[in-house]
Amino acid sequence: RKEVEQDPGPFNVPEGATVAFNCTYSNSASQSFFWYRQDCRKEPKLLMSVYSSGNEDGRFTAQLNRASQYISLLIRDSKLSDSATYLCAVHSGGGADGLTFGKGTHLIIQP
Amino acid sequence: EPEVTQTPSHQVTQMGQEVILRCVPISNHLYFYWYRQILGQKVEFLVSFYNNEISEKSEIFDDQFSVERPDGSNFTLKIRSTKLEDSAMYFCASRAGTGPYEQYFGPGTRLTVT
Repeated sequence: RKEVEQDPGPFNVPEGATVAFNCTYSNSASQSFFWYRQDCRKEPKLLMSVYSSGNEDGRFTAQLNRASQYISLLIRDSKLSDSATYLCAVHSGGGADGLTFGKGTHLIIQP
Repeated sequence: EPEVTQTPSHQVTQMGQEVILRCVPISNHLYFYWYRQILGQKVEFLVSFYNNEISEKSEIFDDQFSVERPDGSNFTLKIRSTKLEDSAMYFCASRAGTGPYEQYFGPGTRLTVT
């Protein structure tokens, strides 16, 4: 199973700031990409899928760069409630069905 | 909003005992998954299940593990003879089978093997 890498952080960011983090994947044949949010000792919650053209959901923007094999997540106007671990997940396709997760990036929004 | 549910939320068992973790996937979903997360580590895929059979399993999913869909709603993970290193959060997930490849996770079962 191929790897997914993320900077573990923590990213300490003041409330209201913009923060961005990347995730790289090693399998160039990967087909689908996702960002999940995980609070301490809770389940991963789907934040957004990442589409080739990039996509936005409110304060969150996701981008995919297939040539460099990374996806990114941008959070604008960060809120205290955005504090969490953000997990990158990749579906490789080609008969593989499960998601491969990165270890996650820990984000702390400071008042 | 439909959710994946899991029971129990916490299971404590002795090494060598059998445990069954239960999941009720979202009702119209067709694909079901088990993942585990050892404390402080990443979420790891164990097995996927579709049309009443395993469609993929990882190297973690060895002979001590099995899955079953005993009825139209439940999806179970059995660990036959638990080891200390099986202590982890076990998450069930499901996806619709059509449209985007999005998996939705249940709240997890924390398994503690003593």
